[in-house]
Amino acid sequence: QITLKESGPTLVKPTQTLTLTCTFSGFSLSTSGVGVGWIRQPPGKALEWLALIYWNDDKRYSPSLKSRLTITKDTSKNQVVLTMTNMDPVDTATYYCAHSLMGPLPFDYWGQGTLVTVSS
Amino acid sequence: DIQMTQSPSTLSASVGDRVTITCRASQSISSWLAWYQQKPGKAPKLLIYKASSLESGVPSRFSGSGSGTEFTLTISSLQPDDFATYYCQQYNSYSHTFGPGTKVDIK
Repeated sequence: QITLKESGPTLVKPTQTLTLTCTFSGFSLSTSGVGVGWIRQPPGKALEWLALIYWNDDKRYSPSLKSRLTITKDTSKNQVVLTMTNMDPVDTATYYCAHSLMGPLPFDYWGQGTLVTVSS
Repeated sequence: DIQMTQSPSTLSASVGDRVTITCRASQSISSWLAWYQQKPGKAPKLLIYKASSLESGVPSRFSGSGSGTEFTLTISSLQPDDFATYYCQQYNSYSHTFGPGTKVDIK
């Protein structure tokens, strides 16, 4: 059974760096083809893909946010970490992590999401 | 960047109606197109992948078609549990892009 869960701060101040952790079970990021991605959704708005990391440490980023994002993995802890620099109130959103397979394939298992508010 | 559009943005329908949502890509994405259903306060649920393949456990009233730049999601007979927002997504090994969503509400 695949599960994912996001954790991190619920409130960050403008200009700060956000660090979110995705802790998962039911699969390994050392298995060929496996990937974990991050997606966000501002309140009442659409989904936006942010980043994706594969089992071989190949990383992909949204072109519009690439300069602010870093995605890393800790295979031994079954975790993927996303950092986003220079946070702004427009970055207020629910942040999701999700499982994928290189095939390519879409995101088939999702975490419950975590709401991050950016405010001073 | 590949851009995705959906139409309509909102759709009012009744239980039992046949519903069709259209998704267009700004360039050809072959069949690398997925559809998700999202209910308020919940994570999206994958319905369709590779344009027309039904995800395991998804009711057969959902179907997808298309290739290249134009795709459709069809619900053959709308059920009470189907009132939700639907998103299309293009995906490949390099990037993912979601559409703006289509809200299906009760007429």
